[in-house]
Amino acid sequence: AQKITQTQPGMFVQEKEAVTLDCTYDTSDQSYGLFWYKQPSSGEMIFLIYQGSYDEQNATEGRYSLNFQKARKSANLVISASQLGDSAMYFCAMREFSGNTPLVFGKGTRLSVIA
Amino acid sequence: DADVTQTPRNRITKTGKRIMLECSQTKGHDRMYWYRQDPGLGLRLIYYSFDVKDINKGEISDGYSVSRQAQAKFSLSLESAIPNQTALYFCATRGTRSEAFFGQGTRLTVV
Repeated sequence: AQKITQTQPGMFVQEKEAVTLDCTYDTSDQSYGLFWYKQPSSGEMIFLIYQGSYDEQNATEGRYSLNFQKARKSANLVISASQLGDSAMYFCAMREFSGNTPLVFGKGTRLSVIA
Repeated sequence: DADVTQTPRNRITKTGKRIMLECSQTKGHDRMYWYRQDPGLGLRLIYYSFDVKDINKGEISDGYSVSRQAQAKFSLSLESAIPNQTALYFCATRGTRSEAFFGQGTRLTVV
């Protein structure tokens, strides 16, 4: 069974600073994908970044990067140069590729960016 | 227009009432999902469907049922709503690529 753990219920970061949101996962599959989603106060779920278990390089999308440490089963999201608009809930999720398994989410981290 | 559309966006209903939440998508995806979000609990999977004839229970299916009327439509029903089903409900789709696309969410309040 797959499981996602986000240990930080809330985080604060100063504007323009970098911040790391933690995510650890548990799976017995060798082939899987890791995802991060952003949920602003308006409620919609916005896809940010994806990392495949066989990808050799860490994924990057603009100011977002994923610090993937396979042996530690961690997939931390790094946001560089934080902006006030980054204040939101952030969810880590995983999907195992063996079989048609659905996306499973962590409980989320609320990030607040301070001016 | 959104790729994944949920109706209604907000709903208040009384305990014991039957209610249906609807989801339609224009992405042509086979896979559709219903999630429920509660504060501090993240998103939990209620039901999912890989095609019209394939419906699967998720982590928290008790008290819910679904219908996949067509590839583009996946509805969630609460046969007899209870207050602890008050939550934000999301429909999502996924194609052959990995990421899921979400609707705007339905905020349901059961009083």
